[in-house]
Amino acid sequence: AQSVTQLDSQVPVFEEAPVELRCNYSSSVSVYLFWYVQYPNQGLQLLLKYLSGSTLVKGINGFEAEFNKSQTSFHLRKPSVHISDTAEYFCAVSEYMYSGGGADGLTFGKGTHLIIQP
Amino acid sequence: DTGVSQDPRHKITKRGQNVTFRCDPISEHNRLYWYRQTLGQGPEFLTYFQNEAQLEKSRLLSDRFSAERPKGSFSTLEIQRTEQGDSAMYLCASSIGQGFEQFFGPGTRLTVL
Repeated sequence: AQSVTQLDSQVPVFEEAPVELRCNYSSSVSVYLFWYVQYPNQGLQLLLKYLSGSTLVKGINGFEAEFNKSQTSFHLRKPSVHISDTAEYFCAVSEYMYSGGGADGLTFGKGTHLIIQP
Repeated sequence: DTGVSQDPRHKITKRGQNVTFRCDPISEHNRLYWYRQTLGQGPEFLTYFQNEAQLEKSRLLSDRFSAERPKGSFSTLEIQRTEQGDSAMYLCASSIGQGFEQFFGPGTRLTVL
C-alpha cells in the first residue's frame, strides 16, 4: 500500500519569497503524483500532476513540482509567493490499476499549511 | 454551475441514527469517488465507482458504511448507526476517463452528537 509524508505541517514565508513544500511517498508499484490546494472555506483544487515523462511539472498559479524517483519525492515550489497563496496544500499519490487501467483512489498526506507573512 | 455538488452541506444527527449523503458528479464523468476528511488530516479514500460498478470498497471504514451509484450518475453514501467518531467532512469527487484529474465537491460536514 502507498503512503504520503508531508514533513512540515506549517510553513511560514514572507511575501515575495520563494517556498518549497516537501512531499515524500512510498509505493511498490508505478504511481501518479498530485498536489491539491484547499483555500479557506473552499473545496480541493488540483494544482498540478505528474503522470509520466518530464520530471518537472508546472501547474496553476506559478507552482511547479519535481518528481524524483530515487528519493521518492515530489516537492512543490514557487519562486515568489503572494498573500493569496495562503492555503492548505496536500500531496497525493495514486497507484496504477492494472485491472481497469488508470488511477485508483488518491492517498493524501496530512497537508501543509502555507502562511504568507506581509 | 457544472461542478460536483453534494447535499446536504451540513448534517447534525444523534448517535445511532442513519444518515445518507448525495453526490452529483460533473455531467458525463464516469468515475465517482468518496473520501472522508477529519480535522487536521488529509482526505481518506473510501470507495469509488466506474459508471455504476463499485470497483473498490475494501477501504470503507466498517460495514456500517455503504455506497451506491444505481444508474451511473449520482451516488449516495449511507452510514448506519452513526457514532461520534463518524463526525467528519465527507467529500465526493468525479473524473472522466482514467481518473487522472479528480474534481472535488464542497463536501458534507457530519456532526454526530
